[in-house]
Amino acid sequence: AQSVTQPDIHITVSEGASLELRCNYSYGATPYLFWYVQSPGQGLQLLLKYFSGDTLVQGIKGFEAEFKRSQSSFNLRKPSVHWSDAAEYFCAVGSISSGSARQLTFGSGTQLTVLP
Amino acid sequence: EPEVTQTPSHQVTQMGQEVILRCVPISNHLYFYWYRQILGQKVEFLVSFYNNEISEKSEIFDDQFSVERPDGSNFTLKIRSTKLEDSAMYFCASTQGARTGELFFGEGSRLTVL
Repeated sequence: AQSVTQPDIHITVSEGASLELRCNYSYGATPYLFWYVQSPGQGLQLLLKYFSGDTLVQGIKGFEAEFKRSQSSFNLRKPSVHWSDAAEYFCAVGSISSGSARQLTFGSGTQLTVLP
Repeated sequence: EPEVTQTPSHQVTQMGQEVILRCVPISNHLYFYWYRQILGQKVEFLVSFYNNEISEKSEIFDDQFSVERPDGSNFTLKIRSTKLEDSAMYFCASTQGARTGELFFGEGSRLTVL
């Protein structure tokens, strides 16, 4: 069965500092990997995704993530954090189920606090 | 930009009551999903729906739950007799294609069972 681990429950960074959120996955085949962001009271917004090809993927809001198969990781990065980036971030791995509909398995999330 | 819309945004109900949560997926999408997030816990898959039938469901999705696409636009989740532990945020999602499309999520419906 697939699983996703986000080892950091809560991260605090200063505005303008760089950010890296960790994600490790367990999946038997080539994974489809996603990062979603959830602001308070809001839904889940897709930041970026990896299906195949270039292992460094660019997303919205200046985020990027790198797929490293050897480390089973898909860490999210941003070179300079803005106060509006404060939110909860979820890593997810997707599978094609037997019914050929994709279901996602989510990590437990990382809460990001940005200090002024 | 097209989006998934959900109603109601928040519903409070008494234990044992029936609840219907409604979703309007993106119009050209073919696969529909319900997920839920109990406060402080992971987002969990409940059910996927394609071609007017359930494709897959999780262990959470027991006989108390049902899904329906009653017309060409709405996708509903019904909980027949709510329990306290059904209190959660319920997210609807849709995707155009199972193999290549990412899931687009709605803003969620918060269900509080008293």
